[in-house]
Amino acid sequence: AQKVTQAQTEISVVEKEDVTLDCVYETRDTTYYLFWYKQPPSGELVFLIRRNSFDEQNEISGRYSWNFQKSTSSFNFTITASQVVDSAVYFCALIYGNKLVFGAGTILRVKS
Amino acid sequence: DAGVTQSPTHLIKTRGQQVTLRCSPISGHKSVSWYQQVLGQGPQFIFQYYEKEERGRGNFPDRFSARQFPNYSSELNVNALLLGDSALYLCASRRQGSITDTQYFGPGTRLTVL
Repeated sequence: AQKVTQAQTEISVVEKEDVTLDCVYETRDTTYYLFWYKQPPSGELVFLIRRNSFDEQNEISGRYSWNFQKSTSSFNFTITASQVVDSAVYFCALIYGNKLVFGAGTILRVKS
Repeated sequence: DAGVTQSPTHLIKTRGQQVTLRCSPISGHKSVSWYQQVLGQGPQFIFQYYEKEERGRGNFPDRFSARQFPNYSSELNVNALLLGDSALYLCASRRQGSITDTQYFGPGTRLTVL
């Protein structure tokens, strides 16, 4: 079965701290796609990144970086020098058939 | 380009009533999916439509139905509302029906059932 686990329910940091959000996935597929979405208080899910199982290179986009490790079935997300605007719920997701399977999400609170 | 739009933003209904939620995909996108997000949980897949045909259905009762129109917009209908149907209903669009396409989400419709 396809499953995504985000063990951290809530994380609180002070502005400018680095923070890593963990994501562990389970799948029997040899080809699969992983995603991260951000959900601010407004409710809309904002797409952050898509990664396929063929590409294990880490990716950096500004203050955001992602570490994909097939050996441990993990796809972790790091925010460097966090800002108050980063406060949101972050979801890791896996494609299964025609649908996205989401983790339970991690609430990130960044305090000034 | 405009993103995915949904209407209404908020809705309050009573048990037993019926509700229709609407979604317009990003221009050029032909596939629409619906998700239900209960407070404190991740979104759960309800339906996917591509070229007006149902391509996938999640584990939801037959009270939930949907359709897609020739302009690729979509409606989600829920009959005989229960208290447990209170949730944020999210619509997502993607260019084609392929799983390799990224899904982009709308702002959601928050449904409260009293």
